[in-house]
Amino acid sequence: YEVTQSPSVSVAPGQTATITCGGPNIVRRNVHWYQWRPGQAPVLLIFYSRDRASGIPDRFSGSSSGDTATLTITRVEAGDEADYFCVVSDPLKEHIFGSGTELTVL
Amino acid sequence: EVQLVESGGGLAQPGRPLKLSCEASGFKFDDYAMHWVRQVAGKGLEWVAGIKWNSETEGYGDSVQGRFTVSRDNSKKSVVLEMNDLRPEDTALYFCVQGSGYAIGSYFKFWGQGIKVTVTP
Repeated sequence: YEVTQSPSVSVAPGQTATITCGGPNIVRRNVHWYQWRPGQAPVLLIFYSRDRASGIPDRFSGSSSGDTATLTITRVEAGDEADYFCVVSDPLKEHIFGSGTELTVL
Repeated sequence: EVQLVESGGGLAQPGRPLKLSCEASGFKFDDYAMHWVRQVAGKGLEWVAGIKWNSETEGYGDSVQGRFTVSRDNSKKSVVLEMNDLRPEDTALYFCVQGSGYAIGSYFKFWGQGIKVTVTP
């Protein structure tokens, strides 16, 4: 199983960023989203496609339909600049990583 | 506060072994699976290995299967990755990661800062 992410997304402050993770029938998979700022450890944002992790602002939300899982960031701030990657956790105990999407805040 | 502190990284020669350790604190260690994840420079992240809370089940990524072994000591709150027959392509930043539940199929809840491993002649 493979997942695909766009390499980069750019948005202006205050706008909405949409980051996608594509894979065959991904809606039936467990998809999790992470934020990775330079020099820091990755941070869990969303688990099981739509559940927000503890302490994560409600500006971050997740959804999934068909072949696409989506991370949406509303009211984007300069501090949201980071790499965002998805992980699909397979029942066969594998974990498949997306290649990551770099979010630039203009 | 959850903390995962990796150690044991550095330089290694191809074909030689190296052992990474991870000391955990701030959570009930034996309630969670633990993982190792790596990032090869210029590439994405790759799941390396995972171990169930009670060591009953281990899992490995295809590229390390048969060469790497993961183990844990719940009394010491530590997890170890023994890497054998190292290859230049094992050069990466290795992360110790807390699972979200008992099993290794659970998602990654908390990540360490990572430790660098360089395999070079």
